Amino acid sequence: GNSVTQMEGPVTLSEEAFLTINCTYTATGYPSLFWYVQYPGEGLQLLLKATKADDKGSNKGFEATYRKETTSFHLEKGSVQVSDSAVYFCALSEGTGGFKTIFGAGTRLFVKA
Amino acid sequence: NAGVTQTPKFRILKIGQSMTLQCAQDMNHNYMYWYRQDPGMGLKLIYYSVGAGITDKGEVPNGYNVSRSTTEDFPLRLELAAPSQTSVYFCASSYSAGQGGETQYFGPGTRLLVL
Repeated sequence: GNSVTQMEGPVTLSEEAFLTINCTYTATGYPSLFWYVQYPGEGLQLLLKATKADDKGSNKGFEATYRKETTSFHLEKGSVQVSDSAVYFCALSEGTGGFKTIFGAGTRLFVKA
Repeated sequence: NAGVTQTPKFRILKIGQSMTLQCAQDMNHNYMYWYRQDPGMGLKLIYYSVGAGITDKGEVPNGYNVSRSTTEDFPLRLELAAPSQTSVYFCASSYSAGQGGETQYFGPGTRLLVL
């Protein structure tokens, strides 16, 4: 079946450091890929997404490229801020209807001033 | 625009009690979902609905029930609460036009403690 594997956290970085959170997936078809972010005490919200191979999703300085050859969707940001401290979830969805969405376990990021 | 709202924010239940978690969305989304999030884990789908009057089980439906009488509301019912149901519950919604890649919109969550 479909699955998502993302790097375990927590990840602790200093402000302005480079961020990479790895995400790999297993899917039988051609899924859409997502990164959701959960700030403390809140629900998840979409950070970025890509719906086909080689697409790059970007938002708020974060980027991720849909790599079909390596089945990956790694999240990157060139310079993190304290306000980026949150839990990041990689997810995939195949076909129509979000009930087929598979979420990774989440990676907690702490950014120190 | 309120988006997805959930009530209550926090609740303590005794074993065997029942309760209903409320969820409403004002975006006219056809799909709605209930997830639970256990510490350090991803989200697990409990139930979902593809429209008013239509619901189906997700990955972990045991001990829960849902109904969807309107497009806006999707309450989750816990019968005979058990400690294993201690979790954070998220309601979400999305609009599906049949093309895939739908974004889900989440409520702020309900934290439930069963003692």
